[in-house]
Amino acid sequence: RKEVEQDPGPFNVPEGATVAFNCTYSNSASQSFFWYRQDCRKEPKLLMSVYSSGNEDGRFTAQLNRASQYISLLIRDSKLSDSATYLCVVNFGAQGAQKLVFGQGTRLTINP
Amino acid sequence: ETGVTQSPTHLIKTRGQQVTLRCSSQSGHNTVSWYQQALGQGPQFIFQYYREEENGRGNFPPRFSGLQFPNYSSELNVNALELDDSALYLCASSQGLAGSYEQYFGPGTRLTVT
Repeated sequence: RKEVEQDPGPFNVPEGATVAFNCTYSNSASQSFFWYRQDCRKEPKLLMSVYSSGNEDGRFTAQLNRASQYISLLIRDSKLSDSATYLCVVNFGAQGAQKLVFGQGTRLTINP
Repeated sequence: ETGVTQSPTHLIKTRGQQVTLRCSSQSGHNTVSWYQQALGQGPQFIFQYYREEENGRGNFPPRFSGLQFPNYSSELNVNALELDDSALYLCASSQGLAGSYEQYFGPGTRLTVT
């Protein structure tokens, strides 16, 4: 089993649609979680951190389910500019020995 | 632009050779992490340097080694290059340990091993 697993997609959705991604992780002791976005031929950029209580940033909502060991990302009212690869990141390490594990990414295309 | 720079941008090496990649962290950042990204895959964590000490390592063999300097810039060294080492190598800097702070990535170094 991969340490962090994502559905690679691709997801093709019309502009204005709501789209959701899930990501599962294998280490129940993991303490920090993130979603990054990577545009084609560009470096990854932080989209949002994921907190235990769930968090929202505009059209984006991230949730964590520790019992089932998955995190999710919901994008509402999708825009053409949301087209990108979304990477789930889990910190598997402890304070003195960090190990950040990225999923393989989910590719999203928003169609006009 | 994140302020994280990497050099060189592209590099071609032969199997068995050694390579050194360089990363300058963003001003005010004391942590640098290195990643290997193969085509169509997410970045794979190689290791992280925090205040000049290695703080965490991924599943990479010892021929992948690194350094962090007093100005917090960093080098990634790969010995005995293999064809599978061909990838984009990304470095990222952060204000503290990458598990707790936002990472800012550089544009990467594209390494091709022939």
